[in-house]
Amino acid sequence: KAGVTQTPRYLIKTRGQQVTLSCSPISGHRSVSWYQQTPGQGLQFLFEYFSETQRNKGNFPGRFSGRQFSNSRSEMNVSTLELGDSALYLCASSVGGGGGNQPQHFGDGTRLSIL
Amino acid sequence: SQQGEEDPQALSIQEGENATMNCSYKTSINNLQWYRQNSGRGLVHLILIRSNEREKHSGRLRVTLDTSKKSSSLLITASRAADTASYFCATGAGNQFYFGTGTSLTVIP
Repeated sequence: KAGVTQTPRYLIKTRGQQVTLSCSPISGHRSVSWYQQTPGQGLQFLFEYFSETQRNKGNFPGRFSGRQFSNSRSEMNVSTLELGDSALYLCASSVGGGGGNQPQHFGDGTRLSIL
Repeated sequence: SQQGEEDPQALSIQEGENATMNCSYKTSINNLQWYRQNSGRGLVHLILIRSNEREKHSGRLRVTLDTSKKSSSLLITASRAADTASYFCATGAGNQFYFGTGTSLTVIP
């Protein structure tokens, strides 16, 4: 079974631009979560999608948004990029349970650098 | 923040020794999970322990959970160089999922 695939692996943008990251979950997984990982803040939860609906949301500004398609693939968008958005963005999928009731399977992330 | 905290932040041991990492959290939980992250990679799920369980084993891993103290520990026995990684605890409560700050483990061959 193929794992979670995130594209692209690396991305360089400048301040003010916007970016879209993509995540393909494990086949059969309906829940997709996104996390931001930085050395200073650690792993921060962004949001979770289940069956095309945002089920949970972390404490991030509205510049961070996402969506999920009918095939469970998910995209995350960040608009008006700031230097502080430089981070490793991780996507994780699970069969469906909320509240961390099931193991999450992670992709290798997208490394976003803002110049 | 409802993140957990791991202790120690960094740990360096010789191959063959045991490694123990601790996690403290703040709120009531449904379960607690441990993950490993190798440098530049995503997280890998290691073990899940439910709030009504006190101890769980998986291979060389042993996890304990003390809900009265809101703490958990991860023991890796007979460590190997390949165990070098960062280890995170993660707690599920309600519909949220929180990761701890992580312990960086270095196993010296």
